[in-house]
Amino acid sequence: AQTVTQSQPEMSVQEAETVTLSCTYDTSENNYYLFWYKQPPSRQMILVIRQEAYKQQNATENRFSVNFQKAAKSFSLKISDSQLGDTAMYFCAFIAFGGSNYKLTFGKGTLLTVNP
Amino acid sequence: DTGVSQDPRHKITKRGQNVTFRCDPISEHNRLYWYRQTLGQGPEFLTYFQNEAQLEKSRLLSDRFSAERPKGSFSTLEIQRTEQGDSAMYLCASSSRTGTTEAFFGQGTRLTVV
Repeated sequence: AQTVTQSQPEMSVQEAETVTLSCTYDTSENNYYLFWYKQPPSRQMILVIRQEAYKQQNATENRFSVNFQKAAKSFSLKISDSQLGDTAMYFCAFIAFGGSNYKLTFGKGTLLTVNP
Repeated sequence: DTGVSQDPRHKITKRGQNVTFRCDPISEHNRLYWYRQTLGQGPEFLTYFQNEAQLEKSRLLSDRFSAERPKGSFSTLEIQRTEQGDSAMYLCASSSRTGTTEAFFGQGTRLTVV
């Protein structure tokens, strides 16, 4: 069974500073994708960034980057130059490609608050 | 393409009643997921389809829950004999078998059982 663990229920950061959200996962699969999703208050879930497990290079999307450590099964999200609009729940998610199982599994989330 | 669409957005029902929710995925997305989310928690997997086949159903799902995806297009989630504990946001997502496999979410259906 695949599991995703986010150990930080809540975090806060000052505007313009950098914050890192943690995620670990467990799987026996070798081929998989990892995602960070953002869910603003009362709004739709949207994708922030994705990482293919076969790629060694860490993914980057503007102010968002990941630190993917495959051996440690760790996938952290770094947000640089935090903005007030980054305030949201952030979910780490995992999908593997083993057999016929393509279930997308989420962690419990980290509530990030960006303070002015 | 207008994205994943869910209907209704809100549903208030009396305990014991049956409710049905609909999800229209992005066209040509062959994978469709249903999740349940309570306040401050992560999405909890309920079931998913690849085309019209229901490939997995969570053990957390009681027999009161059923989902269908006829012809591999839209999907419905029915809850029979609703209980107060069923109150939650029900999320639908779809993804393509190829490409990035990113899941696109609908805005959800908020169910309140009174």
